[in-house]
Amino acid sequence: AQSVTQLDSQVPVFEEAPVELRCNYSSSVSVYLFWYVQYPNQGLQLLLKYLSGSTLVKGINGFEAEFNKSQTSFHLRKPSVHISDTAEYFCAVSGGNQGGKLIFGQGTELSVKP
Amino acid sequence: KAGVTQTPRYLIKTRGQQVTLSCSPISGHRSVSWYQQTPGQGLQFLFEYFSETQRNKGNFPGRFSGRQFSNSRSEMNVSTLELGDSALYLCASSLEGTGAYNEQFFGPGTRLTVL
Repeated sequence: AQSVTQLDSQVPVFEEAPVELRCNYSSSVSVYLFWYVQYPNQGLQLLLKYLSGSTLVKGINGFEAEFNKSQTSFHLRKPSVHISDTAEYFCAVSGGNQGGKLIFGQGTELSVKP
Repeated sequence: KAGVTQTPRYLIKTRGQQVTLSCSPISGHRSVSWYQQTPGQGLQFLFEYFSETQRNKGNFPGRFSGRQFSNSRSEMNVSTLELGDSALYLCASSLEGTGAYNEQFFGPGTRLTVL
């Protein structure tokens, strides 16, 4: 069975500081990995995805993530955050015989302070 | 192109009632998935429909059911509502339903409150 663990439930950070949101996954098969963002009262928006190839993937809004197979991690990073990045971030996995089914982590609430 | 739309956006029901939520996928998308989001359990997969057939199902009781129509629109139904069914229900659509990866596009959700 696949599972996703987001290691921090809340991450407070000051504006223009760098941030890393941590995600670890477990799976016995090759997986696809995703980061989604959810703003208040909205659905989920895809930030970036890892399907194959280069382990460093770049997404929207200046975010990037690195796939590390040996550590089964897919941490999300941004070198300089803005107030508008305040939102909840979800790491997700799909693959194997699960079809399009996404397994989500519990989410990390990013709070950017001025 | 219009995004995924869900109706209604907000719903208040009482225990024991039933409810039907609707999802219209992006034009051309044939796969629709449903997720339940609660503060305690997070985001959990309910089921996925492709070409009017349920392709995948999560671990929810039989009170939760769904269907998909020939135009790919989907509905989910919850019968005999319980307080614990209060949640944000998210619908996602994708182009195809086959293979392990198809980018899913999420709607804004329906906020269900059970009193």
